[in-house]
Amino acid sequence: QKEVEQDPGPLSVPEGAIVSLNCTYSNSAFQYFMWYRQYSRKGPELLMYTYSSGNKEDGRFTAQVDKSSKYISLFIRDSQPSDSATYLCAMILLTNAGKSTFGDGTTLTVKP
Amino acid sequence: DTGVSQDPRHKITKRGQNVTFRCDPISEHNRLYWYRQTLGQGPEFLTYFQNEAQLEKSRLLSDRFSAERPKGSFSTLEIQRTEQGDSAMYLCASSPRTSRSSYNEQFFGPGTRLTVL
Repeated sequence: QKEVEQDPGPLSVPEGAIVSLNCTYSNSAFQYFMWYRQYSRKGPELLMYTYSSGNKEDGRFTAQVDKSSKYISLFIRDSQPSDSATYLCAMILLTNAGKSTFGDGTTLTVKP
Repeated sequence: DTGVSQDPRHKITKRGQNVTFRCDPISEHNRLYWYRQTLGQGPEFLTYFQNEAQLEKSRLLSDRFSAERPKGSFSTLEIQRTEQGDSAMYLCASSPRTSRSSYNEQFFGPGTRLTVL
């Protein structure tokens, strides 16, 4: 079993919809939780990161971490066609010098 | 453009050949990471450098793989005697100096896509 599990989708929503993306993990020692966006044939781009439990909001994006359930979420409000991409969650153990453990990504398509 | 750059962007080679990829990190970033990403999977950690020192290697990095970061600037990843299973996107990322108790963003390059025929 992988340390980080992510539903691969694909997920297709109409423009303007609220999108919910999720990951579960098994290692309770993870301390930083990141969401990356990856367009086809490009490198991942960091969207948001969260330390420990709680919520963090940045524009249309909200990240939530529930360490008790080992569950993280990314919400996208008012989704746009330009949000169509693969979304990767990633996690870091601080003792591992920034080495990230990634989920396998969820492919999102936002239809105009 | 002052981001992470990788060269080449694409490489097609025949099984058994050696290939070398280069990564130029963002200036002043002392940490450099290599990841491998296959289709439909997330990136998997291969190795990382702090300045010129290679501090950790994944068990994914067989003895056919070697990475260097001379003078703590650019890095190279060499694969000897390539196999079809080596076909993947090889991603490089860099981050600035960080303490053990803090997080600094890793900036990823565009990757080198390797196809082994």
